[in-house]
Amino acid sequence: AQSVAQPEDQVNVAEGNPLTVKCTYSVSGNPYLFWYVQYPNRGLQFLLKYITGDNLVKGSYGFEAEFNKSQTSFHLKKPSALVSDSALYFCAVRGEDMRFGAGTRLTVKP
Amino acid sequence: DGGITQSPKYLFRKEGQNVTLSCEQNLNHDAMYWYRQDPGQGLRLIYYSQIVNDFQKGDIAEGYSVSREKKESFPLTVTSAQKNPTAFYLCASRWTSGGSTDTQYFGPGTRLTVL
Repeated sequence: AQSVAQPEDQVNVAEGNPLTVKCTYSVSGNPYLFWYVQYPNRGLQFLLKYITGDNLVKGSYGFEAEFNKSQTSFHLKKPSALVSDSALYFCAVRGEDMRFGAGTRLTVKP
Repeated sequence: DGGITQSPKYLFRKEGQNVTLSCEQNLNHDAMYWYRQDPGQGLRLIYYSQIVNDFQKGDIAEGYSVSREKKESFPLTVTSAQKNPTAFYLCASRWTSGGSTDTQYFGPGTRLTVL
C-alpha cells in the first residue's frame, strides 16, 4: 500500500526567504504525487502534481516541487515566501487510492 | 474549490441524531469521495464512488452511509452509530479517464459539531 510522510509538523520562514516543505513517499509502481494547500476552514486547493517527465514541477502561486526518485521525495519549494503563503500543506500519493500526509503548517513571518 | 459545493458550511447535531451532508459537483466528474479531517491526522477516507449506484467503503466507514443516485451528487449521512462525529468533512471529485493521474478537487468542507 502507498503512503506519504511529512516529517515536519511546522515550518517557519521569514518573508522573502526560500521555503521548503518536505515529503517522502512509498508506493509500488509509478508514483503519482500531489501537493495541496488548505487555508483555515476551507477545502484543499490543488497546487501541482508529478506524473512523469521533468523532475521539477511548477505549480500555482509560484510554488514548485522537486521529484527525487532515489530519495523517494517530493519536496515543495518556493524561492521567496510571502506572508499569504501561511497555510497547511498536504502531500499526497495515488496508488490504489489517494493517501495524504498529516500536513505541515507553514508560517511566514513578516 | 471549483465546481464542488458542500452544504451546510456549519452543522450542529445533538447526540443520537442522524445528519446528512450535501455534496454536489458540476464538473462532470466520475468519481466522488468523502474524507474526514481531524487536527494533526490529515485526511481519512470514509467512502468513495466511481460510478452512479455504486460505492465502496474507505478506511473509516463505520457509522456513515452514502448514496450515489446521480452523477453530480454524493450525500453523506452521519448516523448515531458514529461515536465521535465532530470533525471537518471534505468532499472531493475527479475524472477517471486518465486513471491514477487525474487530479482530485475538493469542496469547501462542512464542519460538524455534536452538542
